[in-house]
Amino acid sequence: DAGVTQSPTHLIKTRGQQVTLRCSPKSGHDTVSWYQQALGQGPQFIFQYYEEEERQRGNFPDRFSGHQFPNYSSELNVNALLLGDSALYLCASSPSGGRTDTQYFGPGTRLTVL
Amino acid sequence: QQPVQSPQAVILREGEDAVINCSSSKALYSVHWYRQKHGEAPVFLMILLKGGEQKGHEKISASFNEKKQQSSLYLTASQLSYSGTYFCGTEASGNTGKLIFGQGTTLQVKP
Repeated sequence: DAGVTQSPTHLIKTRGQQVTLRCSPKSGHDTVSWYQQALGQGPQFIFQYYEEEERQRGNFPDRFSGHQFPNYSSELNVNALLLGDSALYLCASSPSGGRTDTQYFGPGTRLTVL
Repeated sequence: QQPVQSPQAVILREGEDAVINCSSSKALYSVHWYRQKHGEAPVFLMILLKGGEQKGHEKISASFNEKKQQSSLYLTASQLSYSGTYFCGTEASGNTGKLIFGQGTTLQVKP
C-alpha cells in the first residue's frame, strides 16, 4: 500500500515565477491538507481540500491556491514567488472527509526561491 | 494561535524517560503528536480527542487535560530511534482537520 507521494522532490525557482506542486494521497483517503514548513519551524497549515473544494484555509495570501481532482490527488500552486516562500511543502492525507482523523504526511517538496 | 511546546530541547541517555508538553491558549478539540527526523516527513504518533478517546502507537503514551488546554507526551525507556523533533498539532474547532503546530521539541537520545 503506497503512502502519500509528492512530486517533485526538489525545485529551484526565481522570484516572480510560479510553481505547481503535486500530491497523491494514501489509498482510501479523500482529504488532502497542505502545510509549509520553514527550516527549524513546525508545519504551518495552508489549506485543506475535500470533495474537490477548499474547506479550510490558514493565514496565507491568495498567491497560494490549490486544486483537488476526482481521484483525490491535489496540486498546490504558488504565484509571484517571494524569497520567503522557500520552505518544505508537505502534503498530508486522511480518510475522514475533512473531519478529525490521523493525517499521514508525504516526504515533501523542498522549494528554493532565488 | 500557535501552541507552546516545552522544553525546546532535551538530551537523554538510552533507557531514560522524558515528558514533552504542549500548551494552548484556546480551547482544544484534539491534539495530534508527530515525530520528525531530519530530512524526513513527520510520522504520526498519537491523537487525543476531547472526551478521552485516543489513537496511536502502543509504546507511546500521552495525556490531554481539556480544562487546561494542555497535552503531554510520555517517552519511557527511550531508545536511540526516539531521537528527532516532536511536534504537537492542535485543533481548536471540532472536526475540521485544521492543525496548528507548535515550534517543536528536539530530543536527542545518546548511547
